[in-house]
Amino acid sequence: SAVISQKPSRDICQRGTSLTIQCQVDSQVTMMFWYRQQPGQSLTLIATANQGSEATYESGFVIDKFPISRPNLTFSTLTVSNMSPEDSSIYLCSVWGDSYEQYFGPGTRLTVT
Amino acid sequence: DQQVKQNSPSLSVQEGRISILNCDYTNSMFDYFLWYKKYPAEGPTFLISISSIKDKNEDGRFTVFLNKSAKHLSLHIVPSQPGDSAVYFCAASGYNFNKFYFGSGTKLNVKP
Repeated sequence: SAVISQKPSRDICQRGTSLTIQCQVDSQVTMMFWYRQQPGQSLTLIATANQGSEATYESGFVIDKFPISRPNLTFSTLTVSNMSPEDSSIYLCSVWGDSYEQYFGPGTRLTVT
Repeated sequence: DQQVKQNSPSLSVQEGRISILNCDYTNSMFDYFLWYKKYPAEGPTFLISISSIKDKNEDGRFTVFLNKSAKHLSLHIVPSQPGDSAVYFCAASGYNFNKFYFGSGTKLNVKP
């Protein structure tokens, strides 16, 4: 299994500012993902964080809004830029393990006012 | 277009009885299916999975059934316990596991 930590666990931010969320895994993993869960909705994949190269974004998500870094196989950051109230969500980091299981971090609850 | 659907937003079951959570999908290319449990203020926790080459996988009180012709899977919890009360998500992926599609979740309440 993989143990994933995220920082911060929650934050309240003002419109127009940016927040960087950190994700740390206790072991090296190849595949790392960032998801968003808006209130009352399912998990939506934002992007796959690729080590040493640009992230792969899903339809509807762009690098300027959600820049992602993946400097090594245990760490990634997601920045939510120029925030608006519509960005209020839970942001989740996830990894795909060798035993065909997907593990999630505890999530970062973001509220934009 | 939601490719994985959980049509029951909530389910209430008496302790000791069976809980059956359902999930439907539309993409016949999905090859791998997973169930997650999520408590408030926590990330989803992996429960059980099934590959498309099987029609059943069992792990303790949890059994997942896959009906490929109907594009339907279900999670059975027997016997249900109050600690099972949580939101359950099903998810599906193609063979390369590079993207997972999630259902909208079913909130299970197990009454003592």
